[in-house]
Amino acid sequence: AQKVTQAQTEISVVEKEDVTLDCVYETRDTTYYLFWYKQPPSGELVFLIRRNSFDEQNEISGRYSWNFQKSTSSFNFTITASQVVDSAVYFCALSEAGTGTASKLTFGTGTRLQVTL
Amino acid sequence: EAQVTQNPRYLITVTGKKLTVTCSQNMNHEYMSWYRQDPGLGLRQIYYSMNVEVTDKGDVPEGYKVSRKEKRNFPLILESPSPNQTSLYFCASSITRGKAGQPQHFGDGTRLSIL
Repeated sequence: AQKVTQAQTEISVVEKEDVTLDCVYETRDTTYYLFWYKQPPSGELVFLIRRNSFDEQNEISGRYSWNFQKSTSSFNFTITASQVVDSAVYFCALSEAGTGTASKLTFGTGTRLQVTL
Repeated sequence: EAQVTQNPRYLITVTGKKLTVTCSQNMNHEYMSWYRQDPGLGLRQIYYSMNVEVTDKGDVPEGYKVSRKEKRNFPLILESPSPNQTSLYFCASSITRGKAGQPQHFGDGTRLSIL
């Protein structure tokens, strides 16, 4: 069965600090997809990134970067020079490519990031 | 604008009074799903639908029903709501057509309180 663990329940940083959100996953599939979603205080879920299991290249998008390591089953998310607007709950999620439930997302429990001035 | 629309956004009701949360998407997506979000548990899948007239249980289906009579709509029905169904609910959709792992588009959420 698939499982996603976000061990950090809550993180508080001061603006401009770098912060890394950890995500560890479990799956028996060889083909799977990993996602990060952001949930700001307004409550909606915003898609940030998708990675497939065959692409271990790290990705950078502005202040955001993602480190995917199959050897440790991790897909960590780093925010560089954090800003107050980054305050949100961040969810890591996993989707296996098996038949039938190919689109099902299994979510971690989320990490609440608080960025203060 | 491509979107998933849920209604109502907020609802306070009483135990046993049937309610329906509607979900509609305008992206012609095959896959639709309902999740509930609870503190410390993240989001858990309730039901999903791979296409019209095709629905199946997710991880926490007890106490819920769904239907998929049209491609764009996927209502969530609580026949006899109970307080343990107080939660934040999200509808989501994605394109499939043989492509696994497509990002899901989420509605803005429906906050249900069952007294």
